[in-house]
Amino acid sequence: KQEVTQIPAALSVPEGENLVLNCSFTDSAIYNLQWFRQDPGKGLTSLLLIQSSQREQTSGRLNASLDKSSGRSTLYIAASQPGDSATYLCAVGNYGQNFVFGPGTRLSVLP
Amino acid sequence: GAGVSQSPSNKVTEKGKDVELRCDPISGHTALYWYRQSLGQGLEFLIYFQGNSAPDKSGLPSDRFSAERTGGSVSTLTIQRTQQEDSAVYLCASSLQGIGNTEAFFGQGTRLTVV
Repeated sequence: KQEVTQIPAALSVPEGENLVLNCSFTDSAIYNLQWFRQDPGKGLTSLLLIQSSQREQTSGRLNASLDKSSGRSTLYIAASQPGDSATYLCAVGNYGQNFVFGPGTRLSVLP
Repeated sequence: GAGVSQSPSNKVTEKGKDVELRCDPISGHTALYWYRQSLGQGLEFLIYFQGNSAPDKSGLPSDRFSAERTGGSVSTLTIQRTQQEDSAVYLCASSLQGIGNTEAFFGQGTRLTVV
């Protein structure tokens, strides 16, 4: 059974800092991994999708990497801004199964 | 539509009543998922529809929960005889194809409160 963990559970940084969020999964036979952000009381917004054959994806100040063999993904946020404050969730897609979500990292970027 | 649409956005119901939650996926998306998120908790898988295949119902917590997807588009999640522990945000997502192929897009959720 796939299990997904995220470290840290919460993170508070001053504006402008670069930061890394970590996601780990137990079953490396995945098809893809997706990073989402969730604002309080809102649904999930897709940030980046990495297919199993890819090593990384970039969108603006965000860069996500995937090391399937070690069961890890990282989300790098450059030059963080207060508007980046949210909960960040990673989700792993296994063939023929649902997405399995991690518990999330709650990020606060202080002005 | 432009995105996944869920209705109602908020629902307050009395314990023991039945409720129906609706999800309109993105047009053309063949895969549809239901998750729920209890206060302070992670996302819990409920059910997954893929095209005309039999749905994966392995996440439904009890037989009070059921879901349909009519015509391969709109889905309805029904909770019968609601209990207070059913209070949560129910999230729906769709993707162009099934798991492993394409990006999943989520709706804004339905916040269900059972009093």
